[in-house]
Amino acid sequence: QVQLQESGPGLVKPSETLSLTCTVSGGSINSYYWSWIRQPPGKGPEWIGFIYYSGSTNYNPSLKSRVTISVDTSKNQFSLKLRSVTAADTAVYYCARSPTEVDPVPEYYFDYWGQGTLVTVSS
Amino acid sequence: QSALTQPASVSGSPGQSITISCTGTSSDISDYKYVSWYQHHPGKAPKLMIYDVSNRPLGVSNRFSGSKSGNTASLSISGLQAEDEADYYCTSYTSSSPFVFGGGTKLTVL
Repeated sequence: QVQLQESGPGLVKPSETLSLTCTVSGGSINSYYWSWIRQPPGKGPEWIGFIYYSGSTNYNPSLKSRVTISVDTSKNQFSLKLRSVTAADTAVYYCARSPTEVDPVPEYYFDYWGQGTLVTVSS
Repeated sequence: QSALTQPASVSGSPGQSITISCTGTSSDISDYKYVSWYQHHPGKAPKLMIYDVSNRPLGVSNRFSGSKSGNTASLSISGLQAEDEADYYCTSYTSSSPFVFGGGTKLTVL
């Protein structure tokens, strides 16, 4: 059974960089797309971006200037960096997987998710 | 504000059927077949219930079904059970981004 687990600091200061890692177990990171999604308190989820195992990325236009997603296939992990954070970036952050039907085109849904990790931006 | 509009809450009694709507625009739901639905029990990982508008993953009960008409997609649940009580989210592919979400619907089983 594929499992995803988010890890990283639960508290980040304003203007600093939020860094999270998602560790994939029970399956390979190869041949899939890997997303970061966040959900601010009381609001709906927001897709941040995804990375293919080969390293190609696609980001939400509203966050693109501040986001970097990277992958480490040797560790079966992928990571998120969000720069210059403010209180508006406080949210539960999830990692999720999208399969591919025809490599390298993604399927546009998430078949596995992590449980999420709360990140609070505060001084 | 989320790009897709869902009712904040719906409710039903055990055994009844309910439908959750997800309304978008001509840039998303109406133009693409990539609508998916997720069930989320707080504190747990969200679970995929429907993908590509009406397909059910292996292991998901056939009490769950999906459809779309124009710019509105729908998730229907028949034979409501207590364990169906959860938050439900829709997503769609859009012309400007691979994924946009709805604001979520809280389903209460009375």
